[in-house]
Amino acid sequence: KQEVTQIPAALSVPEGENLVLNCSFTDSAIYNLQWFRQDPGKGLTSLLLIQSSQREQTSGRLNASLDKSSGRSTLYIAASQPGDSATYLCAVYSSASKIIFGSGTRLSIRP
Amino acid sequence: EAQVTQNPRYLITVTGKKLTVTCSQNMNHEYMSWYRQDPGLGLRQIYYSMNVEVTDKGDVPEGYKVSRKEKRNFPLILESPSPNQTSLYFCASSSEGGRYEKLFFGSGTQLSVL
Repeated sequence: KQEVTQIPAALSVPEGENLVLNCSFTDSAIYNLQWFRQDPGKGLTSLLLIQSSQREQTSGRLNASLDKSSGRSTLYIAASQPGDSATYLCAVYSSASKIIFGSGTRLSIRP
Repeated sequence: EAQVTQNPRYLITVTGKKLTVTCSQNMNHEYMSWYRQDPGLGLRQIYYSMNVEVTDKGDVPEGYKVSRKEKRNFPLILESPSPNQTSLYFCASSSEGGRYEKLFFGSGTQLSVL
């Protein structure tokens, strides 16, 4: 059974730092992996989608990488800003049309 | 504007009183899904639909029903709500079954069952 883990559960860094969020999954048979952002009381917004054949995707200050063989993905945020404060979730699309989510990393950027 | 619309945003009800949470998308997506989000348990899939008249159970389907009579709508029905169904619910949609395209989420429905 696919399991998705995100460590740490919470992270606080000063503004301007580059940071990395981690996501690991137990079954490498995935179609894709997505990173989402969730603000308190709001829905999820998809940030980046990496297909299983891809190694990374970039959008602005965000870069996501995927290593299927090791079951890992990272989300790199460059030059962090207070507006980046949110919970970040990763999700893998496994077989049988199942999308499995990690529990998220709650990120706080200190001004 | 491309969006997934859920209603209501907040709902307080009592045990046993049937309710429906509506979900509609305007992107002509084939794939739609319902999730519940609980502290410490993350997002768990309730039901999903690959297309009209095609629905299947997710990880936590007990106590819920869905229907997909039209492509744009995917309502979630609680026939006899219980307090353990108090949760934050999200509807989501995607094209191509979510395999190649991003998943779009609604703003959520906070349900409290007393």
